[in-house]
Amino acid sequence: AQSVSQHNHHVILSEAASLELGCNYSYGGTVNLFWYVQYPGQHLQLLLKYFSGDPLVKGIKGFEAEFIKSKFSFNLRKPSVQWSDTAEYFCAVIIIQGAQKLVFGQGTRLTINP
Amino acid sequence: DTGVSQNPRHKITKRGQNVTFRCDPISEHNRLYWYRQTLGQGPEFLTYFQNEAQLEKSRLLSDRFSAERPKGSFSTLEIQRTEQGDSAMYLCASSPERTGGTDTQYFGPGTRLTVL
Repeated sequence: AQSVSQHNHHVILSEAASLELGCNYSYGGTVNLFWYVQYPGQHLQLLLKYFSGDPLVKGIKGFEAEFIKSKFSFNLRKPSVQWSDTAEYFCAVIIIQGAQKLVFGQGTRLTINP
Repeated sequence: DTGVSQNPRHKITKRGQNVTFRCDPISEHNRLYWYRQTLGQGPEFLTYFQNEAQLEKSRLLSDRFSAERPKGSFSTLEIQRTEQGDSAMYLCASSPERTGGTDTQYFGPGTRLTVL
């Protein structure tokens, strides 16, 4: 079965630090990739997505992610985090030509200290 | 675009009772999805509708669970004879149909179910 792994369960950073959250998936075929964010008390929101083309995608709030097909990875990055980035981050994939379901990682809780 | 809405937002019930949740997708989105999320985990797929047709069901969806989307608009998820293990956040999402491919799923706020 397809799966998504997020390497870090809880990351704690200070403001202005750089961020990289790891995401790996297990499927050899074509996938669409997503990062969703859930701010405290809010619902899941799309941060960015990759369907095709340039493997470096930019999302909202200064986030970006790079799709590396050979490594089955889609890591999320931000050069300088802010206190307002405190949230839970979920990586997810959809298999093209497969069922229309998102397969999520277990999430990474990000805490930014002011 | 008013977003995906779900009702109720919270539901507390006793074991053995039946519960029903409602999801109203973004208008004109003909795909609708249900997921379940437990504490410390990512959402897990339950089922998916395209218009009124239920096209996919997860093995997580036991025979106590049933979902409907009778007119291709709102959807209901019913859990019969609830068990404590059903306690979770139930999420609904919708997306427009993109011919030959996938599109972004937009999530609602969820219904938090607590089974006592």
